[in-house]
Amino acid sequence: GESVGLHLPTLSVQEGDNSIINCAYSNSASDYFIWYKQESGKGPQFIIDIRSNMDKRQGQRVTVLLNKTVKHLSLQIAATQPGDSAVYFCAEYGSGNTGKLIFGQGTTLQVKP
Amino acid sequence: DADVTQTPRNRITKTGKRIMLECSQTKGHDRMYWYRQDPGLGLRLIYYSFDVKDINKGEISDGYSVSRQAQAKFSLSLESAIPNQTALYFCATGGDGAGGYTFGSGTRLTVV
Repeated sequence: GESVGLHLPTLSVQEGDNSIINCAYSNSASDYFIWYKQESGKGPQFIIDIRSNMDKRQGQRVTVLLNKTVKHLSLQIAATQPGDSAVYFCAEYGSGNTGKLIFGQGTTLQVKP
Repeated sequence: DADVTQTPRNRITKTGKRIMLECSQTKGHDRMYWYRQDPGLGLRLIYYSFDVKDINKGEISDGYSVSRQAQAKFSLSLESAIPNQTALYFCATGGDGAGGYTFGSGTRLTVV
């Protein structure tokens, strides 16, 4: 079956450092990927997306990298701030263009002051 | 107003009771979803609806039912609540274009 997974359940970084959150996916036919951020007590919020015809996409302080060869997705956060502390999920659209997102388990990012 | 509104935000109910969680959206999307979130298990799909007449089971639909009253409204019911249905429940809409889903703020349900 399809699955999306993150390599580490928790990542702890120092404020001001860069953070890298990784995700592995299993469905080579997926063509759209999204990163979500979930703060405590809130629903997941869209951060950035990338289509399979791209290798890299940048937003404000965030960059998503896609390596289709090894089916790996990463989220890079530059100059991590305390407000970045949250759980981060990667998600992919499953096969057959069903419109259903498949979510990974989530990585908790802890930012130390 | 929020794009996706869930009510109630918190609910404590007793085993065996019927409970309904409500969701409404102002995004104008046809597609709506109900997810359950448990610690360490991520988001699991309970039911989804691609339009008012289309309802589909997700990966964990047992013990749940849904009703799509209108394009903007999608409610989730627990016919006879049990303690292992204690979880955080999220409604979402989207998936019919770019940008993924928009989630509500969640309902924290405790079954005692």
